[in-house]
Amino acid sequence: EVQLVESGGGLVKPGGSLRLSCAASGFTFGTYSMHWVRQAPGKGLEWVSSISSSSISIYYTDSVKGRFTISRDNAESSLFLQMNSLRAEDTALYFCVRDYDGNAFDIWGHGTMVTVSS
Amino acid sequence: QSVLTQPPSASGTPGQRVTISCSGSSSNIATNYVYWYQQFPGTAPKLLIYRNYQRPSGVPDRFSGSKSGTSASLAISGLRSEDGADYYCASWDDSLSGVLFGGGTKVTVL
Repeated sequence: EVQLVESGGGLVKPGGSLRLSCAASGFTFGTYSMHWVRQAPGKGLEWVSSISSSSISIYYTDSVKGRFTISRDNAESSLFLQMNSLRAEDTALYFCVRDYDGNAFDIWGHGTMVTVSS
Repeated sequence: QSVLTQPPSASGTPGQRVTISCSGSSSNIATNYVYWYQQFPGTAPKLLIYRNYQRPSGVPDRFSGSKSGTSASLAISGLRSEDGADYYCASWDDSLSGVLFGGGTKVTVL
């Protein structure tokens, strides 16, 4: 079964850090670009970051540039998001997403919740 | 500012056709593919349409996508009660070098 399972979310104080992980299974992870998409409580979807299959191309939404770092380990079929200098507005459910066809997000994890609050 | 604009809500009775618009600009919809996602409360989104009008396997042909210039549309024909959900459009934006999502449209089946 094709599956993405996120972990690493939790409650953190403003200015703190968290590292999200996403374990992929059921497909050849190393051949797909991957993304992080977040959704604040009661709000819409917001794309956060993407990384190509070989990690050559990496992109971020403006609001997280310089604070978040996306990475992957193809040998371990894992995707990561290092989040530093966290702000209240980063509070959201973070989804790990597979890119099927150039930004066609066909497989989504269940998400991991990040809450930034003092 | 690069944004994709969707109406916040749409509704219809069972069997009707409902259309959701997604308005963008020259840096996104006009020059890149449009994607549509369906999301039920408490669940992850599901890919409904890719490359403007293509349907992934398993998506009913009641769902159709189209694009013209800087706008795109998702049509749901033969509306069913189980179609009540939030729908999002998305497209790559060349100016931002990132993916843009529309604000989402809540479809209510009356």
